[in-house]
This record gives sequence, C-alpha cells and structure tokens, in this order.
Amino acid sequence: TQLLEQSPQFLSIQEGENLTVYCNSSSVFSSLQWYRQEPGEGPVLLVTVVTGGEVKKLKRLTFQFGDARKDSSLHITAAQPGDTGLYLCAGDNNYGQNFVFGPGTRLSVLP
Amino acid sequence: DAGITQSPRYKITETGRQVTLMCHQTWSHSYMFWYRQDLGHGLRLIYYSAAADITDKGEVPDGYVVSRSKTENFPLTLESATRSQTSVYFCASSVFQGGYEQYFGPGTRLTVT
Repeated sequence: TQLLEQSPQFLSIQEGENLTVYCNSSSVFSSLQWYRQEPGEGPVLLVTVVTGGEVKKLKRLTFQFGDARKDSSLHITAAQPGDTGLYLCAGDNNYGQNFVFGPGTRLSVLP
Repeated sequence: DAGITQSPRYKITETGRQVTLMCHQTWSHSYMFWYRQDLGHGLRLIYYSAAADITDKGEVPDGYVVSRSKTENFPLTLESATRSQTSVYFCASSVFQGGYEQYFGPGTRLTVT
C-alpha cells in the first residue's frame, strides 16, 4: 500500500507569517494534487503538479513537486486568516484510477 | 446547477438497515469515486468507477456496494449498516487536465446508531 505522510500535522501561526507544509512518500506518483478543506465541506482542488521539479504558483501559494516525483511542498507567503483549513495532498498512483491521500495538515492563521 | 451533488447531506440510521447515498455529477466525467473520511484515517477510497458499468474496489470496500448504470450517477449502498460505518462520505469525479484532477461533492454525514 502506498502511503503519503504530511508534516506538520497541526500548525498555528499569526497573520503575515510564512509557512511550509510537506507531503512525502517512498513511492513515485504520476501526479500529485493539493486540496484545501474547510469544516463541513468537501476538499477543493488547489493545484496539480505532474513533472518532477515542477513549481506552480497560485497567488501567495507556491507548490513544488520533488525531482523524483515522491514528495511535494506547499509554501504560503504572508498567511491570512482565510488560509485556515485542512490541507491535503493526494498522489495519483494509477493514472486516474486510484488516489492516495495524506492525513492532512490542519492550519490555523490567527488575526 | 453544474457540479457534483450528494444526497442526503445528513442521515441517521439504525444498525442493520440498508442505506443508499446518492451522487450526481453534471460534467460527464468518466471517473467517479467514493471516499470515507474519519479522524485518524483521513480520506480512504471505498470504490471507484472508470465508466458506466465498470467499478472496482478501493482500500476499504467491505460492507459497501456500488453501481453505475449511467455516467452521471454513482450511488453507494450500505447493505447492512454497522456502527463502524459512521463517517463522512465524499463522492468525487475526475478529469484529465495534464494530470488527473478530482472534484468533490459536499459530503454526506452518516450516523449509524
């Protein structure tokens, strides 16, 4: 069974601080997605990374896929309270037929 | 409305009862998925479907049955509900856009008493 680990599990920071969360596996994925989930709602897709070494930016969020396509990071610059939520990474290990999710990083940004 | 919908949003049932959770998508995505989300376990795949009439087991399929007679619908049935099936259930569909991307419904919170 392929596993994805995420760190840290919990993160509480002040508005304006920077942070990085990590998603790691010993397995190679054809692509990796990041989602944000708010209480009572389904996960919402933020980004998909496909190529090893790829970097994608979404406003204050920067996503990187590891060269070996086994790990990824999410960096948030100048965090805002609206960034609060559960951040999940998911690896595609069978070309769209089977996704493995990490346990998530629960982020709280305090005003 | 376009998108992916689930019904009911909340359900309380008794042990041993049969329960069906509905999922409907308007995008005509080929792939659809059912997950359960539990504290300490994250999102776990129950079943997935690559197309109408094609389904396959995920990580935790025991006690669940799925069908997919039409592309847009993917119901999940608990044949005889157990307390361990108390969870939040999410349906998702996916499309290829450079890589496969999943889009989730709002979830169904199921409590088995």
